Amino acid sequence: SAVISQKPSRDICQRGTSLTIQCQVDSQVTMMFWYRQQPGQSLTLIATANQGSEATYESGFVIDKFPISRPNLTFSTLTVSNMSPEDSSIYLCSGRDRAHNEQFFGPGTRLTVL
Amino acid sequence: GENVGLHLPTLSVQEGDNSIINCAYSNSASDYFIWYKQESGKGPQFIIDIRSNMDKRQGQRVTVLLNKTVKHLSLQIAATQPGDSAVYFCAERGGSYIPTFGRGTSLIVHP
Repeated sequence: SAVISQKPSRDICQRGTSLTIQCQVDSQVTMMFWYRQQPGQSLTLIATANQGSEATYESGFVIDKFPISRPNLTFSTLTVSNMSPEDSSIYLCSGRDRAHNEQFFGPGTRLTVL
Repeated sequence: GENVGLHLPTLSVQEGDNSIINCAYSNSASDYFIWYKQESGKGPQFIIDIRSNMDKRQGQRVTVLLNKTVKHLSLQIAATQPGDSAVYFCAERGGSYIPTFGRGTSLIVHP
């Protein structure tokens, strides 16, 4: 099974600033995803991070607000731009190899926006 | 018993009892289902999966049952332990290979 790490694990940010979250997988994975999880809620998919091309965003999420990079098969970043208190949430990175059904998750980044 | 709180439904059980966590899914075209366990401060962890051509699958202390007729999925945990306390999510997946997560159930195991 793959191990996924995220940095930072948590942060407290001021309104209007941006935060970039890093995701590192210890093995190559075909697919990487970014999720948002509000406290006590389920996971909502933000986007699929595509290597070498623009991420595929889900309805309600746009590139200007959540730019994503994926330079290789083991690393991705998610930026939360121009933050507001409504962006306070847990952001989870996930990876999956198309050859296997199991999808792995990082520990999450807990973001608080003041 | 099971009740619906402000956010997550909660199931409270005594240590040693069997737990049953239920999930209703929405897409009749989904062909693959997964149960995840999420402990506080951690990401979801894969527990067990089942394909739509099966109605039951067993793992270590866990059993997943699938009823496609009523689009219902359940996770049974035998001899529940305090370490089983967590939030449990079901997820369904179709041709997109991207799972859709259900609401989640908080399992509390009392020693």
